[in-house]
Amino acid sequence: GAVVSQHPSRVICKSGTSVKIECRSLDFQATTMFWYRQFPKQSLMLMATSNEGSKATYEQGVEKDKFLINHASLTLSTLTVTSAHPEDSSFYICSATLGLAGDEQFFGPGTRLTVL
Amino acid sequence: GNSVTQMEGPVTLSEEAFLTINCTYTATGYPSLFWYVQYPGEGLQLLLKATKADDKGSNKGFEATYRKETTSFHLEKGSVQVSDSAVYFCALSLYNFNKFYFGSGTKLNVKP
Repeated sequence: GAVVSQHPSRVICKSGTSVKIECRSLDFQATTMFWYRQFPKQSLMLMATSNEGSKATYEQGVEKDKFLINHASLTLSTLTVTSAHPEDSSFYICSATLGLAGDEQFFGPGTRLTVL
Repeated sequence: GNSVTQMEGPVTLSEEAFLTINCTYTATGYPSLFWYVQYPGEGLQLLLKATKADDKGSNKGFEATYRKETTSFHLEKGSVQVSDSAVYFCALSLYNFNKFYFGSGTKLNVKP
């Protein structure tokens, strides 16, 4: 099946710094990628939808200037958490689809971000 | 609005026990329904899905039936194994499967 990777799997950073998380589709071209955030014992919350070559569409309440998303190619999307604060600590998960109606989403293993 | 509610975990069962994880949903349209499974250290994997009312999704001994009248999609398995220990997520999607709403996940622990 389709494989999606994320890097890094864990990252610890100081408050005020920026962190970049990569999401790659390893064996398929993903026209659409999604970024989710998961709090402990809570649902995955969709943050944004990104399409290759265009601006990401952010969900209501998600700060686009804080969570920068770039989908530069059909196999790579990046999420940059800018000026991170402790409340940004969370588990971030990406997923990708082939973009055809009816296709499932393929999920990455997630990235654990801890902001000190 | 659109949302998914699942039973809280963890659920602890002995091997070969019967499993039910409840899932109910609210949706503004006619959703497709999914169960995803997340094994430790791995990404979410599609377990099964159903795209319309009365459809039954099944895979690896797991089953779930799309019940429109009760807005439910409960996951069942007749005899669980230790290897089924994981977190299970119920989800719905609308509009060409491009937007998913997830439940909070239910952790299943199966003891030998």
